[in-house]
Amino acid sequence: GQQVMQIPQYQHVQEGEDFTTYCNSSTTLSNIQWYKQRPGGHPVFLIQLVKSGEVKKQKRLTFQFGEAKKNSSLHITATQTTDVGTYFCAGRGSGGGADGLTFGKGTHLIIQP
Amino acid sequence: GAVVSQHPSWVICKSGTSVKIECRSLDFQATTMFWYRQFPKQSLMLMATSNEGSKATYEQGVEKDKFLINHASLTLSTLTVTSAHPEDSSFYICSARAGTWVNVLTFGAGSRLTVL
Repeated sequence: GQQVMQIPQYQHVQEGEDFTTYCNSSTTLSNIQWYKQRPGGHPVFLIQLVKSGEVKKQKRLTFQFGEAKKNSSLHITATQTTDVGTYFCAGRGSGGGADGLTFGKGTHLIIQP
Repeated sequence: GAVVSQHPSWVICKSGTSVKIECRSLDFQATTMFWYRQFPKQSLMLMATSNEGSKATYEQGVEKDKFLINHASLTLSTLTVTSAHPEDSSFYICSARAGTWVNVLTFGAGSRLTVL
């Protein structure tokens, strides 16, 4: 079945440093979504990428979808303490769950002031 | 935007008792809702799909007699953990799509269950 691998599992950064998390799918995706879950909270939708090679920005966050639509990345520039949380990618393809998505395991971002 | 309300946010119960968790779509109708389980520092595990007016569809390995799902209306789905045991302690989250053609999931706030 479809698998979505996400790395790294944990990332410690100093406040102000950049952060990147990567997702790789075993199959071609129709789209990929990113969610953020704050500690103790629930996942909140950030963005959806649909087109091959697509790049979208939200302030300090940059999202990319690979040309082959099998990988994606989220890059945060100059991290702030408010960026703390777990970032999940979720791919939509032919092998997704009943919710249509296959979630990555998430990357836990820990920021040291 | 779409809002999904989940209640209770946390519950503590004794082993052997049953616990009901509610998931409501506040400003939209959801013919389908999804229930997940999340262990600490882990990803979301889809447990089942709740279908309004019909039986839920369970993922492989999820006991349907253990986790009873009822979707009696277009805005309410319930998950009942029956005869709960300590290993059922977890974070349970529901989600829904705010429309048939909407890809994005809106999640409830989650319910943290602790079974003593």
